[in-house]
Amino acid sequence: GESVGLHLPTLSVQEGDNSIINCAYSNSASDYFIWYKQESGKGPQFIIDIRSNMDKRQGQRVTVLLNKTVKHLSLQIAATQPGDSAVYFCAEGVIYNQGGKLIFGQGTELSVKP
Amino acid sequence: NAGVTQTPKFRILKIGQSMTLQCTQDMNHNYMYWYRQDPGMGLKLIYYSVGAGITDKGEVPNGYNVSRSTTEDFPLRLELAAPSQTSVYFCASSKDDRGNGNTIYFGEGSWLTVV
Repeated sequence: GESVGLHLPTLSVQEGDNSIINCAYSNSASDYFIWYKQESGKGPQFIIDIRSNMDKRQGQRVTVLLNKTVKHLSLQIAATQPGDSAVYFCAEGVIYNQGGKLIFGQGTELSVKP
Repeated sequence: NAGVTQTPKFRILKIGQSMTLQCTQDMNHNYMYWYRQDPGMGLKLIYYSVGAGITDKGEVPNGYNVSRSTTEDFPLRLELAAPSQTSVYFCASSKDDRGNGNTIYFGEGSWLTVV
């Protein structure tokens, strides 16, 4: 069946280092991918998105890479800070799907050590 | 601007009881969603609505019902609570039909425990 999953459930990095969070997806019809950040006790917060006609997109301190050949998505966080500690989810969808429904992956917990 | 507001924040239910999770948004969004999140897992779509009077099932609709009588409100009802429904519930809304992530807004979550 269709699924979105993450390779690593936990990731611990040193403050100032770069973080890379990975995600695999299996629905080849998905053309839209999003990364969300979820802090403890809160709802998911949009970080960055990418459409399938792109292979890279950059935001402020974050970069998303999309490899459609192997159905792989990654989120890179530069100069990771303690405030980046959270659970990160990838989600996939079809842009023109009615209702814009998303399928979420399991999540990776990022822990930043000072 | 309140965004997406859910109530209650926390609730404990006994098996077989019924309850309604309330969700309202003040952004005039057409699309609204209910997700559940089990510990250590991603969000799963329960129900969604593309506009007032229209609802449809998501991935995990069993045991739930929804209604959408107004654009603003999208309540989620649990008719006969079961322990498997212990979860965190998130309501969300978006303004267009293109699933544009930066227009999907989530509420703060409702923690439900069924004992």
